[in-house]
Amino acid sequence: NAGVTQTPKFQVLKTGQSMTLQCAQDMNHEYMSWYRQDPGMGLRLIHYSVGAGITDQGEVPNGYNVSRSTTEDFPLRLLSAAPSQTSVYFCASSFSFPREGFYGYTFGSGTRLTVV
Amino acid sequence: DAKTTQPPSMDCAEGRAANLPCNHSTISGNEYVYWYRQIHSQGPQYIIHGLKNNETNEMASLIITEDRKSSTLILPHATLRDTAVYYCIVSPPFTQGGSEKLVFGKGTKLTVNP
Repeated sequence: NAGVTQTPKFQVLKTGQSMTLQCAQDMNHEYMSWYRQDPGMGLRLIHYSVGAGITDQGEVPNGYNVSRSTTEDFPLRLLSAAPSQTSVYFCASSFSFPREGFYGYTFGSGTRLTVV
Repeated sequence: DAKTTQPPSMDCAEGRAANLPCNHSTISGNEYVYWYRQIHSQGPQYIIHGLKNNETNEMASLIITEDRKSSTLILPHATLRDTAVYYCIVSPPFTQGGSEKLVFGKGTKLTVNP
């Protein structure tokens, strides 16, 4: 099924460990982004990409790295996990300019990360 | 910071229309109004968007005031499955490079009661 796929769905890390959250989309969307959501809060933008080879920082980029080597994939790397990074992470994708049948952003189902 | 103001919570009876207000008094001429919702802990779902004309799709209707300073999302016949957090967002359109930074506020928690 077309959409945004995030893996893993759940992850527990120890402080200082590193890991990569995977995000893949099969809709040929140019734009991809990562958000985090803390309990009772709205979503906050971490990093985004308007196309392969192009990335930029969002509102809360510290502690996270991204790269975009292909249109389909946009992994989010935590180099040294901290308890403050305990959150739910959502990946989203979209066309970067209006198209017929525009349907806004498509979000993945999320990765629930706990750092202990 | 989010450019919109929404009530933190609302209740609606099943089968009745749910009218969710949003104030965006500082909206710019090129900014669209977008609505998303988030059911439980799922990823947000796009509902509808508009610039200045009222819009309708299979999910909802969007009414934007003439001065564009506020809008209302209407779910015509709310069901229990419409219980969710609804986010109102203003942002420039894709072609002006603003849509990469959709800013989500805390939204309105809509509870549809049996």
